[in-house]
Amino acid sequence: GNSVTQMEGPVTLSEEAFLTINCTYTATGYPSLFWYVQYPGEGLQLLLKATKADDKGSNKGFEATYRKETTSFHLEKGSVQVSDSAVYFCALPLSGGYNKLIFGAGTRLAVHP
Amino acid sequence: GAVVSQHPSWVICKSGTSVKIECRSLDFQATTMFWYRQFPKQSLMLMATSNEGSKATYEQGVEKDKFLINHASLTLSTLTVTSAHPEDSSFYICSARGQGTANYGYTFGSGTRLTVV
Repeated sequence: GNSVTQMEGPVTLSEEAFLTINCTYTATGYPSLFWYVQYPGEGLQLLLKATKADDKGSNKGFEATYRKETTSFHLEKGSVQVSDSAVYFCALPLSGGYNKLIFGAGTRLAVHP
Repeated sequence: GAVVSQHPSWVICKSGTSVKIECRSLDFQATTMFWYRQFPKQSLMLMATSNEGSKATYEQGVEKDKFLINHASLTLSTLTVTSAHPEDSSFYICSARGQGTANYGYTFGSGTRLTVV
């Protein structure tokens, strides 16, 4: 089945710094790719997604481009804020029936003023 | 659109008792629901997948008799932790996927923190 590898955290940045969180995948075909965010004590919220190669997902200043050549879907933001502090998960569907999602290990981001 | 409501958000129970967690899709029909478990500072582990009106499919290593899943309608799935023990303490999250997948993708509930004392 498909798999996903995500850079380990934690990532600690100052406010307004540039953020990159790496995510690479192995997959059969070209599945949709997702980034989810989890704030402390909460469930997961979809941050952005891309459904086909070369698509760029974007939301709240975050971007990620579906790159089939490098099998990557890195998350970026040009200027992070303290409110971006959370755990970020890269995800894609596992091949086979039901299309269940599999997640990367999660990357904890801490942004300091 | 695409809202999933999960209740309770937290629960404390005594060892040996059972706890039911509800997951409802509020504005779409959830043909498939997924139940995840998350340990502190770890990723999500899929426990089971349920389709409306069918028996749940459990992941390897998940005890189906301990974690009872019911998906009796297109808007409600429940997870019952039976005879709970302290090691069952965890954060449980449901996810729902609706008809017309492209419209909704996967929507997650806000999670339930279970503490067994």
